[in-house]
Amino acid sequence: AQSVTQLGSHVSVSEGALVLLRCNYSSSVPPYLFWYVQYPNQGLQLLLKYTSAATLVKGINGFEAEFKKSETSFHLTKPSAHMSDAAEYFCAVCEGGGYQKVTFGTGTKLQVIP
Amino acid sequence: DAGVIQSPRHEVTEMGQEVTLRCKPISGHNSLFWYRQTMMRGLELLIYFNNNVPIDDSGMPEDRFSAKMPNASFSTLKIQPSEPRDSAVYFCASSLGGLGQGNYGYTFGSGTRLTVV
Repeated sequence: AQSVTQLGSHVSVSEGALVLLRCNYSSSVPPYLFWYVQYPNQGLQLLLKYTSAATLVKGINGFEAEFKKSETSFHLTKPSAHMSDAAEYFCAVCEGGGYQKVTFGTGTKLQVIP
Repeated sequence: DAGVIQSPRHEVTEMGQEVTLRCKPISGHNSLFWYRQTMMRGLELLIYFNNNVPIDDSGMPEDRFSAKMPNASFSTLKIQPSEPRDSAVYFCASSLGGLGQGNYGYTFGSGTRLTVV
């Protein structure tokens, strides 16, 4: 069964500092991996996705994530945090084969301190 | 494109009443999902449709919950009778792809915040 683990339910960074949100996955087959962002009172928005084309994936708003098979990780990074990045971030995994069911992590709330 | 449209945005109802949540997916998307989000349980998949056919309803909590997708542009999630523990935010999401195809990621609606008193 597929699953994702997000380390840290809350992360605080200073404005301008590096953002690093951690995600480890468990999947019996090469997975599709995603990061979503949720702003207050809104639905989830797709940030980026890994579908085996390239291990370093660039997404919207300056975020990127690197797929590391040896570490079963898909950490999300951004070089310089902005106040508008404050939100909750979800890592998600979908096993291949076209079955569309996605399993979400428990989320990490990012606080950006001015 | 207007995105995934859910209605109502907020619903307050009394215990025992029937509640119907509605979703219009993005035109051309052939997969539709209903999720429930709570603080305690996070995001839970309730049901997944592909080409209007329910593929996986193992997440539907109990017989009080039912979902339909009569055509490619409309789906409903019904709770009858509603209970206070059903209070949550219910999201609808749609995507391209399907069985045997790739996963392109979901587009979520803004959700329906349900409060059962």
